[in-house]
Amino acid sequence: GAVVSQHPSWVICKSGTSVKIECRSLDFQATTMFWYRQFPKQSLMLMATSNEGSKATYEQGVEKDKFLINHASLTLSTLTVTSAHPEDSSFYICSAPIPPYNEQFFGPGTRLTVL
Amino acid sequence: KQEVTQIPAALSVPEGENLVLNCSFTDSAIYNLQWFRQDPGKGLTSLLLIQSSQREQTSGRLNASLDKSSGRSTLYIAASQPGDSATYLCAVGGATNKLIFGTGTLLAVQP
Repeated sequence: GAVVSQHPSWVICKSGTSVKIECRSLDFQATTMFWYRQFPKQSLMLMATSNEGSKATYEQGVEKDKFLINHASLTLSTLTVTSAHPEDSSFYICSAPIPPYNEQFFGPGTRLTVL
Repeated sequence: KQEVTQIPAALSVPEGENLVLNCSFTDSAIYNLQWFRQDPGKGLTSLLLIQSSQREQTSGRLNASLDKSSGRSTLYIAASQPGDSATYLCAVGGATNKLIFGTGTLLAVQP
């Protein structure tokens, strides 16, 4: 299957700092990528849709000024958690669909811990 | 609002058994349905994708069925192995490609 990478795989930061997470499609181009977060022993919750060349669209209840998304190219989307706080600690995962059937492939995830 | 439920929440079986995982969704207007496995602390691995016009898909020991009208999908795992132990997630996709995930089934296959 297609390969999606994420970097870093884990990050620990102090409260108040900003953290950037990268999501790359390695062997295909992705005009759309999705960002999810997952709390321990829970399912994935869609945060936002990242669109190449245009603004991201956010799900209800997700603060767009808190979670900045930039789809810089057809193979790269970044999620920046601004002024991170302990409640932002979570597992963040990205995905990208591949036409024509739009099967989605996921990155390995990034574990964010805010102290 | 689409809601996706998976039953059972957890399942423990001895090695070699055949098993069925269930997924139900409330809105039948779906574009596709995808089954994933997730190992602890890892991302998701796509297992099977079923288009809305299809009834089933097979890959190796896995078979997934879809009954859109009744809002149900099943994942059948034949001859289970300890390496199958993981959390299994189903997700329904709409025209915008957004996935709505189920609650997951934690599977343990005992050697």
